[in-house]
Amino acid sequence: EVQLVESGGGLVQPGGSLRLSCAASGFTFSSYEMNWVRQAPGKGLEWVSYISSSGSTIYYADSVKGRFTISRDNAKNSLYLQMNSLRAEDTAVYYCAREGDWGQGTLVTVSS
Amino acid sequence: DIQMTQSPSSLSASVGDRVTITCQASQDISNYLNWYQQKPGKAPKLLIYDASNLETGVPSRFSGSGSGTDFTFTISSLQPEDIATYYCQQYDNLPPSLTFGGGTKVEIK
Repeated sequence: EVQLVESGGGLVQPGGSLRLSCAASGFTFSSYEMNWVRQAPGKGLEWVSYISSSGSTIYYADSVKGRFTISRDNAKNSLYLQMNSLRAEDTAVYYCAREGDWGQGTLVTVSS
Repeated sequence: DIQMTQSPSSLSASVGDRVTITCQASQDISNYLNWYQQKPGKAPKLLIYDASNLETGVPSRFSGSGSGTDFTFTISSLQPEDIATYYCQQYDNLPPSLTFGGGTKVEIK
């Protein structure tokens, strides 16, 4: 069974940093592209970032480009999202996703 | 960037009704379209992939159709457990990205 478990969310002040993790199991992690998707409270879904199976190809939504960094450790079956210079509008539940499989999400709240 | 226009944004229907949601892409996306169901506090759940293929374990009252720019999602007989928000999502490979429709909140009348 595919499992994706996000962690690392929490309350952070504007301008602060946070690192999200996604632990994957139940499939060959190194063979799959991965994405981060977020959902602001009461809003729709927004794609954040993509990483290829090897980690060699990476893309970001314009809203996070230059502030967020996606990475992966295939030896640890883990996906990461380093978030810097956080803004109030980054407040959201962050999901890691593999094709149609999603984790349960982790809440990031940016507030003073 | 590809934009996805989903309608309606909300609907109210009776149990047993046929419910239809549409999604229009700003350019040809072939059949690279998924439909998700999201219940409050939960992660989205994949129902339909590649525009018309039913995900394993999903009830057959759910269906999808379309290709190119125009897509339709149908619940043939609305059930109380179908109350949720539904999203279409395109997946582009050049460059890789996902784009979601704005969502349709389905309620029971």
